[in-house]
Amino acid sequence: SQQGEEDPQALSIQEGENATMNCSYKTSINNLQWYRQNSGRGLVHLILIRSNEREKHSGRLRVTLDTSKKSSSLLITASRAADTASYFCATEGAGANSKLTFGKGITLSVRP
Amino acid sequence: KAGVTQTPRYLIKTRGQQVTLSCSPISGHRSVSWYQQTPGQGLQFLFEYFSETQRNKGNFPGRFSGRQFSNSRSEMNVSTLELGDSALYLCASTLQPSTDTQYFGPGTRLTVL
Repeated sequence: SQQGEEDPQALSIQEGENATMNCSYKTSINNLQWYRQNSGRGLVHLILIRSNEREKHSGRLRVTLDTSKKSSSLLITASRAADTASYFCATEGAGANSKLTFGKGITLSVRP
Repeated sequence: KAGVTQTPRYLIKTRGQQVTLSCSPISGHRSVSWYQQTPGQGLQFLFEYFSETQRNKGNFPGRFSGRQFSNSRSEMNVSTLELGDSALYLCASTLQPSTDTQYFGPGTRLTVL
């Protein structure tokens, strides 16, 4: 079963605009991660935020985490056509031998 | 450092056959996880291996099995293939069996006819 659920399922924006993607989850987590996947290829790790963190930045990426609402958001600023991809949030459950559970992903299209 | 490699990249099989997929982790990484990705179910965790031992297992039937060798390379096997096994199979490696950052291979696209 999916732990993380992303919202929206698909997003289409113009180059230069900001893209905001949301992820909600159900149980307590150790950390939440965002990955990108280009057209049926392997996933690339973007950013990780731990349960005791509220915000992290990496280049044009900004991730927030609200553990009280069990939600996270990924903001991509000044989007580029090359950002066109599927984005997944993944959560590591709190507990021993936990595994990474992925959502179904958000398809982002950035129009040139 | 070379990334995670998976072989073969594409595979076509017929129902009832079996298949073995291979994954070579990043040098020095000792943990390998496998995932199945389909349009309907998304990314589903199959299993994780560390030091040749299965550390974690997802909710897949016993037809799905795996193993890890002393050099950390891993294989997964699917027996008695079904049409629904058509998917992209991804493996990911990490240094230790934590899930901090997983490094994914390009995947093996399996088509079952």
